[in-house]
Amino acid sequence: DIVMTQSPDSLAVSLGERATINCKSSQSVLYSSNNKNFLAWYQEKPGQPPKLLIYWASTRESGVPDRFSGSGSGTDFTLTISSLQAEDVAVYYCQQYYSSPLTFGGGTKVEIK
Amino acid sequence: QVQLQESGPRLVKPSETLSLTCTVSGGSISSYYWSWIRQPPGKGLEWIGYIYYSGSTTYNPSLKGRVTISVDTSKNQFSLKLSSVTAADTAVYFCARGSQVFNYWGQGTLVTVSS
Repeated sequence: DIVMTQSPDSLAVSLGERATINCKSSQSVLYSSNNKNFLAWYQEKPGQPPKLLIYWASTRESGVPDRFSGSGSGTDFTLTISSLQAEDVAVYYCQQYYSSPLTFGGGTKVEIK
Repeated sequence: QVQLQESGPRLVKPSETLSLTCTVSGGSISSYYWSWIRQPPGKGLEWIGYIYYSGSTTYNPSLKGRVTISVDTSKNQFSLKLSSVTAADTAVYFCARGSQVFNYWGQGTLVTVSS
């Protein structure tokens, strides 16, 4: 199984400041034949199901604000919130879909400082 | 707008079988993959398995053959059965659309395993 490790476990960021979440996979999730990284990011707010933010490591899902961006390749990935808003308080998960079983990171809790 | 809704018993006894159904509305279950994902209280997400509308399935080996996912296209539903449950199976169970990424989710239902 591919193990997904997120860091930090939690972070507190001032409104309007940048938030950066890291995700590392235990093996590469880059598929060489199409040069795509099989990596997604989700946002989970209390009492709600996770919401897909980004797939293919950097493609925003329709309707997701452009302050959310994903980057990275191979085994190291980053989710960046460029200017934190109050509504961004949530737990964020990365997920690999390169191989079965699909696996998620442990989550990063983002709070307002 | 596609909507998913989980239904089923919220309390299951140890060693019995957990059974949940996901009803899809606002779109057809056909031509898509459908998944079950769970989240123990205060913990992270675990993918359980998925089914194609035709009936083909893939499961997480960590559940050691206890899982069965089925589909009923006539009712626009798919279902989860998890046998021989223990307290470790207590979780919020989500149904979702997809086999790689999940862009539509049910609200989730908390299933507690307890005598």
